[in-house]
Amino acid sequence: RKEVEQDPGPFNVPEGATVAFNCTYSNSASQSFFWYRQDCRKEPKLLMSVYSSGNEDGRFTAQLNRASQYISLLIRDSKLSDSATYLCVVTQGSYALNFGKGTSLLVTP
Amino acid sequence: NAGVTQTPKFQVLKTGQSMTLQCAQDMNHEYMSWYRQDPGMGLRLIHYSVGAGITDQGEVPNGYNVSRSTTEDFPLRLLSAAPSQTSVYFCASSYVGGKYNEQFFGPGTRLTVL
Repeated sequence: RKEVEQDPGPFNVPEGATVAFNCTYSNSASQSFFWYRQDCRKEPKLLMSVYSSGNEDGRFTAQLNRASQYISLLIRDSKLSDSATYLCVVTQGSYALNFGKGTSLLVTP
Repeated sequence: NAGVTQTPKFQVLKTGQSMTLQCAQDMNHEYMSWYRQDPGMGLRLIHYSVGAGITDQGEVPNGYNVSRSTTEDFPLRLLSAAPSQTSVYFCASSYVGGKYNEQFFGPGTRLTVL
């Protein structure tokens, strides 16, 4: 079983919609959690860290549920530019990232 | 700052050939790593280093060697290329220590082994 699991999608949503992605992880000793964004044929880039209390950055909200070992990402008011693959990332230390396979999002006009 | 740079951007090899993928960063990061990304597999860690002179294996190290003689450079060597090593290779770097360390990725090297 892979350590980090994500629904690969694709999620096709219209502009302005709200979309949510979930991710589960298997190692209860995991300490740090992130969402990375990867555009087609580009390198991954950090979207946001995920804190225990949940956190928000503009239209993006991340939640962590340690008891159920899952992480979520909510995108409100989707823009065309949000189309990308969203990677759930988990670590047991301060480096050596464990990546999910990614969830593909396509926002349509 | 150039950030993390990788060369070459594209490479085609024949089975059995060897080559080195270059990675450099100018952010004085202690931690550097190599990942490969394959369709349907996500990013998998090949090797990593927490400082000059220190390297360790990741999830898929077979067929690859690394060395870290300077803080800035972390080359990845393919000893005898195989078609199974056709992939996109990303180098990444970050600070060590602390709880949340953003990893910065290079633009990738797209390798095809025939």
